[in-house]
Amino acid sequence: GEDVEQSLFLSVREGDSSVINCTYTDSSSTYLYWYKQEPGAGLQLLTYIFSNMDMKQDQRLTVLLNKKDKHLSLRIADTQTGDSAIYFCAESILGNKLTFGTGTQLKVEL
Amino acid sequence: KAGVTQTPRYLIKTRGQQVTLSCSPISGHRSVSWYQQTPGQGLQFLFEYFSETQRNKGNFPGRFSGRQFSNSRSEMNVSTLELGDSALYLCASTSGGGSYEQYFGPGTRLTVT
Repeated sequence: GEDVEQSLFLSVREGDSSVINCTYTDSSSTYLYWYKQEPGAGLQLLTYIFSNMDMKQDQRLTVLLNKKDKHLSLRIADTQTGDSAIYFCAESILGNKLTFGTGTQLKVEL
Repeated sequence: KAGVTQTPRYLIKTRGQQVTLSCSPISGHRSVSWYQQTPGQGLQFLFEYFSETQRNKGNFPGRFSGRQFSNSRSEMNVSTLELGDSALYLCASTSGGGSYEQYFGPGTRLTVT
């Protein structure tokens, strides 16, 4: 079945790296996504990875996928205060239907 | 290129009323999906429309319905509103041509009193 889990909260200091983790249960996932949501806003697509890839890098963002453990992570290098937000991972199994995790609130402290 | 737009942004309705929300996808995108976001249940998939046809549906009661027009704009309707329908309703658009990049609009905040 579909179930996506994330830790609820992460606090880091400005300039450090942040690692947000996600586990999913359905091995049929085709794409896995990371979205960012700031207060009062919609979801911003950060990056996504196809299920046959292990890693994807996009500027400060690195996505790692461990299919064996059904584990997805998002690393944000040189975290800034503007990165403070809620981060959602999501999986797609059936076309464009996304199943979202609970979200991780990232707080960046000076 | 303009992003996904949703109207209205905020809405207050009374229990028992009905409501219609609108979503205009990114130009050229043919697929529109709708999601409900609440503090208790998180983000849940409502339905997806592609070329005016419902292609996928989530586990919501029949009070929730939608449609898509020939210009790809989509509406969702909720009839007989309940307090629990208070939520942020988000729509997302995808090109539908083999791309799986889903772009979300800012959402419509619905409050049911």
